[in-house]
Amino acid sequence: AQTVTQSQPEMSVQEAETVTLSCTYDTSESNYYLFWYKQPPSRQMILVIRQEAYKQQNATENRFSVNFQKAAKSFSLKISDSQLGDTAMYFCAFMRAGSDMRFGAGTRLTVKP
Amino acid sequence: GAGVSQSPRYKVAKRGQDVALRCDPISGHVSLFWYQQALGQGPEFLTYFQNEAQLDKSGLPSDRFFAERPEGSVSTLKIQRTQQEDSAVYLCASSLDRGWEKLFFGSGTQLSVL
Repeated sequence: AQTVTQSQPEMSVQEAETVTLSCTYDTSESNYYLFWYKQPPSRQMILVIRQEAYKQQNATENRFSVNFQKAAKSFSLKISDSQLGDTAMYFCAFMRAGSDMRFGAGTRLTVKP
Repeated sequence: GAGVSQSPRYKVAKRGQDVALRCDPISGHVSLFWYQQALGQGPEFLTYFQNEAQLDKSGLPSDRFFAERPEGSVSTLKIQRTQQEDSAVYLCASSLDRGWEKLFFGSGTQLSVL
């Protein structure tokens, strides 16, 4: 079974600063995808970034980037130039071929003005 | 439609009552997933449809939970004889195919069982 662990229940950062959210996962598979989702109070899960396990290059999307360490089974999210609108729950998720998506317990991020 | 639509947004049920939660996926999306999200937790997988076929229902917590997607579009999650532990947000997601396309989520139905 695949498990996803987010060890930081809550994080805070000053506006315009950089913050890193941690995620580790456990799997015996070699082909899979990893995701970071943002969930604001509206409850809708919004995809922030995704990473294919077979790609060595870390994914980036504007202010969001990941540090994917396949051997260590680590997948952290870095948010640069934090904005007030980044305040939300962030979920790390794992998905392997032909299966469903598994989520971590989440990290509540607060961006302070 | 423009996105995944779920209704109702909020549902309050008395313990023992049956409830039905509706999900309208994005038009043309083949895959549909249901997730249960307890307060302060990440979403937990309930069941998966590919078109009208329910291919995986391993996450359904008990036989009181039943899901269907008879015409391969709209899906309904039914919970019979609701219990307090059923209180959660129920999220629906769809994707174009069961490949690596991203999931599009609805805003969920928050179920409170009193």
